[in-house]
Amino acid sequence: AQSVSQHNHHVILSEAASLELGCNYSYGGTVNLFWYVQYPGQHLQLLLKYFSGDPLVKGIKGFEAEFIKSKFSFNLRKPSVQWSDTAEYFCAVMGSGGYNKLIFGAGTRLAVHP
Amino acid sequence: GAVVSQHPSWVICKSGTSVKIECRSLDFQATTMFWYRQFPKQSLMLMATSNEGSKATYEQGVEKDKFLINHASLTLSTLTVTSAHPEDSSFYICSARDKSGLNYEQYFGPGTRLTVT
Repeated sequence: AQSVSQHNHHVILSEAASLELGCNYSYGGTVNLFWYVQYPGQHLQLLLKYFSGDPLVKGIKGFEAEFIKSKFSFNLRKPSVQWSDTAEYFCAVMGSGGYNKLIFGAGTRLAVHP
Repeated sequence: GAVVSQHPSWVICKSGTSVKIECRSLDFQATTMFWYRQFPKQSLMLMATSNEGSKATYEQGVEKDKFLINHASLTLSTLTVTSAHPEDSSFYICSARDKSGLNYEQYFGPGTRLTVT
C-alpha cells in the first residue's frame, strides 16, 4: 500500500534560515510526487511536482525538491525562508497513470519568526 | 490556473439533519472528483473518488450510506452528510482532476467546515 511519511511535524525557523522538510514514500511502482502548501485559512495550493526527468524540480516562491529514487525521498528545500512562508506543507504521492489516488503525508507545520 | 469552488464554506447543523456540500470545477471539466476530510492539525484523508456518471468508490471505513456522493456532470459533485452527528464535524475538501490534462494534476477547493451541534 502507498504511504507517505513526513518526519517533521512542527518546524520553527527565523527569517532567512534555510529550510529542508523531509518526505519519504512507500510505493511499489513508478510514482508522481507533489508538495502542497496550505496557508492559514486558505486552500491547498500546489508548490511543485515531479513526474519524470530532472529529479531536481523547482516550484513557486523559491521552493525546490529533489527526488532521490534510491532513498524513496522527495525532500522540500528553500535556501532562505520568509515570514510569509508560515504554513502547513504536505507531501503527496500518486502512482503513475491516470487512475491512481493522491495520498498525503501527515503534514509539517512551519512557523517562521521575523 | 484551474479553480475549484465549494459551497457552502461553512455550515452549522443540528444533529440528525442532512447537509449537502457542492464542489464545482469552474474553468475545466473534471472526469474525476475526490472528497477528503481533514481533522484539526491532521492530514487530508481520502473519503471517496467519484467519476462522472458512475458510482463513487469509497475508501475503507467510510460509510457510503452516510456520505452520499453524486457526480452528475463534469463540473459538479456533491457530498451529502446524512443524519449528521457531532463526530461528523470536520473540514471537508473536494478536489478535481482535469479531464484534458496529461499530468493528472488535482486542484483543490477551499473546503467546507461542518459543525454539527
